[in-house]
This record gives sequence, structure tokens and C-alpha cells, in this order.
Amino acid sequence: DAKTTQPPSMDCAEGRAANLPCNHSTISGNEYVYWYRQIHSQGPQYIIHGLKNNETNEMASLIITEDRKSSTLILPHATLRDTAVYYCIVRPRDAAGNKLTFGGGTRVLVKP
Amino acid sequence: NAGVTQTPKFQVLKTGQSMTLQCAQDMNHNSMYWYRQDPGMGLRLIYYSASEGTTDKGEVPNGYNVSRLNKREFSLRLESAAPSQTSVYFCAISGTASSGNTIYFGEGSWLTVV
Repeated sequence: DAKTTQPPSMDCAEGRAANLPCNHSTISGNEYVYWYRQIHSQGPQYIIHGLKNNETNEMASLIITEDRKSSTLILPHATLRDTAVYYCIVRPRDAAGNKLTFGGGTRVLVKP
Repeated sequence: NAGVTQTPKFQVLKTGQSMTLQCAQDMNHNSMYWYRQDPGMGLRLIYYSASEGTTDKGEVPNGYNVSRLNKREFSLRLESAAPSQTSVYFCAISGTASSGNTIYFGEGSWLTVV
């Protein structure tokens, strides 16, 4: 699986959009970008994934650059409950069984 | 955390004792994983199993053994617990390609070795 690089931490104001960057310059053509988050020692939770087109669901939006070497997770209206560690992972969609490793993630603190 | 059940949720061990963490899934996925997470740190892969009957080492396998008993169950054993193994342990399963290969995690098992 390709390696990812994320800032270790960031703050965000409640009600504002939170933009979380992720670099994955060694991503290969068959690898998807996945985002997960972990709220205070709970098991990580799936947020969204994409290949090359921008994706949106009820939780967030995912913007992937045209060269696919970086992406941004957008939480459109951050709430205090969005305070968590966010992990960006890249791996093939059919990689079931492959070693699955997480980087350090970005610790997001949403402030009132 | 639906679909992935870990037991026990909390355990205190004395140094040198042994124990087994159990993980069971009801989602019929092939791949299962064990991670540990130390306070303020990220997830580190201990062992994983691509399918029933196979297991492979992750980043930090020393001091652990695993068993993929069947498709549903993947256990993690500490033969001789050490204080350095105090951590939160997460079991995870990986979905199929048709489900987007989403990863599902259990609620975690808090282990303290004194």
C-alpha cells in the first residue's frame, strides 16, 4: 500500500469547514483513497473513499487532485463531535487480505 | 462497530501471565486484522489474516501469536505478558471489493499489564 503524509494536528472553528490534506505521491493507478476517523479511543470509523473523481456523502466530501498525488477531506460544517484523529489510507479496492497499515493521522480539534 | 465483536473489553494481567483476546465477525469477510494503539499514538498492525488458514506478521508481531480458527474468528494470544504490551487492541475486518473494501473495527480491548 502506498504511503501517506498528513499534518499531525489542526484546529477548526465550530460551524466552519474543516479541510484536511493528505499527500500520497506514490499512489498507483489501481489504488483508492480512503478516509477514516477515530473518536477518543473508539474503533476507527469509515468516512469516505474515492479513486479520481470527487466524492460526497452525508459525512464529508473528498477532493482528489487531477494527478492523484494528494487529496483533501472536507467536513463542511464542523461540530464539536467531529473532534477526532483522521486517517488517510491508499490501497487497491480489491486488496482484501493485503497488509493494512495506518499512518499517524491528523488530530483535529474543533473549537467552539 | 456492528459486525465485529471483541472480548474481553477490559483486562488486567500480571507480568508473565498469558491471555487470549477473541475477535468474531458476522459479516463473512475474508480478511481480519489485529492492531494495538498506545496512548496518544496511531494504530500499529500486529498480525493479519488474509483468509481462513493463513496468517502474516504486521509491524509489531513480537510477543504475540494468532490463530485464525475459522472464517469468523481470529484470536490474539499473549504468552507471557509484559508491561510494554499495555495498550488498546483493535480487531478489524476488511470488506470485499463489492463493498468497496471498507474496513470495520471492533470496539477495542483495553489491556493493562502490571
